[in-house]
Amino acid sequence: EAQVTQNPRYLITVTGKKLTVTCSQNMNHEYMSWYRQDPGLGLRQIYYSMNVEVTDKGDVPEGYKVSRKEKRNFPLILESPSPNQTSLYFCASSFAGQGTSPLHFGNGTRLTVT
Amino acid sequence: DAKTTQPNSMESNEEEPVHLPCNHSTISGTDYIHWYRQLPSQGPEYVIHGLTSNVNNRMASLAIAEDRKSSTLILHRATLRDAAVYYCSCMNYGGSQGNLIFGKGTKLSVKP
Repeated sequence: EAQVTQNPRYLITVTGKKLTVTCSQNMNHEYMSWYRQDPGLGLRQIYYSMNVEVTDKGDVPEGYKVSRKEKRNFPLILESPSPNQTSLYFCASSFAGQGTSPLHFGNGTRLTVT
Repeated sequence: DAKTTQPNSMESNEEEPVHLPCNHSTISGTDYIHWYRQLPSQGPEYVIHGLTSNVNNRMASLAIAEDRKSSTLILHRATLRDAAVYYCSCMNYGGSQGNLIFGKGTKLSVKP
């Protein structure tokens, strides 16, 4: 089944403790991206990757890192999480093609930083 | 990418048509118009997309204004399962353009 898989689904951590949220897709998509969703603010893009070893900042990249060493994986790294990074996170992927290809989203990771 | 503006919420009765509007007045000629919906406790899912012409699929229809500055997602017969937040986005992520902007979405309520 074609899908985008995020892990974990729920994560509670403390300020400053490094964490990684994994994202994997099995559709051979070139394009992958991360979003955070907060009440009243909709979906905001954190980082995106057009292909392996090619990443770039979205609208809200501060406090986050990503890497794209393999085509299928695009982990989101919080080196020193803070409470303002408490949010619902979504990973998405698609074939890169000038908007002709739909985005496929994962089911989300709800992160709480205390 | 163009900024999109949608109403915060809309209501519909079951089995009636629903027209969800989206304004994207700064859309560029190469931006595709995409619609996604998000059911409670799920990730957004693709609904439909188009460039210039109106589009139909099994889920919905997309009507695009002639000047492309607005579009309307049409659900022909709303069901209770259509209650969701609907997002409109203008997308052009070919080449080096990967920055995508979603609007805040329209929360659709469907009354039995």
